[in-house]
Amino acid sequence: NAGVTQTPKFRILKIGQSMTLQCTQDMNHNYMYWYRQDPGMGLKLIYYSVGAGITDKGEVPNGYNVSRSTTEDFPLRLELAAPSQTSVYFCASSYSGTGTYEQYFGPGTRLTVT
Amino acid sequence: KNQVEQSPQSLIILEGKNCTLQCNYTVSPFSNLRWYKQDTGRGPVSLTIMTFSENTKSNGRYTATLDADTKQSSLHITASQLSDSASYICVVIFLSGGYNKLIFGAGTRLAVHP
Repeated sequence: NAGVTQTPKFRILKIGQSMTLQCTQDMNHNYMYWYRQDPGMGLKLIYYSVGAGITDKGEVPNGYNVSRSTTEDFPLRLELAAPSQTSVYFCASSYSGTGTYEQYFGPGTRLTVT
Repeated sequence: KNQVEQSPQSLIILEGKNCTLQCNYTVSPFSNLRWYKQDTGRGPVSLTIMTFSENTKSNGRYTATLDADTKQSSLHITASQLSDSASYICVVIFLSGGYNKLIFGAGTRLAVHP
């Protein structure tokens, strides 16, 4: 199993540009998540999904959109990039959203908006 | 407000020495607590999980303790190795809206020097 994979690893965007961060998991997990990690801060939840076709906002959803057309994929879309979106983005997945099921994280995408 | 605070922010120790990292939380209601290890440029990986009724949990040279009364946890690393150099993140989990919500600490950055 590859686990959770993310592409790209690094990206530099200009203000106002758009991009999609890709996330794929091969563990047949129902739950998937997008987090951002800013320097000196804990990870913050952007969006999550409990299954194909179902998504919901997390703590910091403004400026982002997601979709979940398959169990495996959970892309994150930035429509109008802003410097405040400079961060490291992590995708995660878990078998269940309750109990002691672990969230497994991808390697991250480092995004810089200038 | 649900918060997780970790101390120290950073720590330097010599190879072979022991160290203890601290985590204080104000999250309620508490479900369980995880310690994650995050290598530079990688996603977090779970080291231990502790439920409300557990006081201590070991994973090799890593031992986590939990005092649910004082809302404190610690992670003790024994006989440190160079590969222990990483950030260690305390994550407190609680159930809200039917699924687990994770509150991440900012992490302790550990550097093990030869």
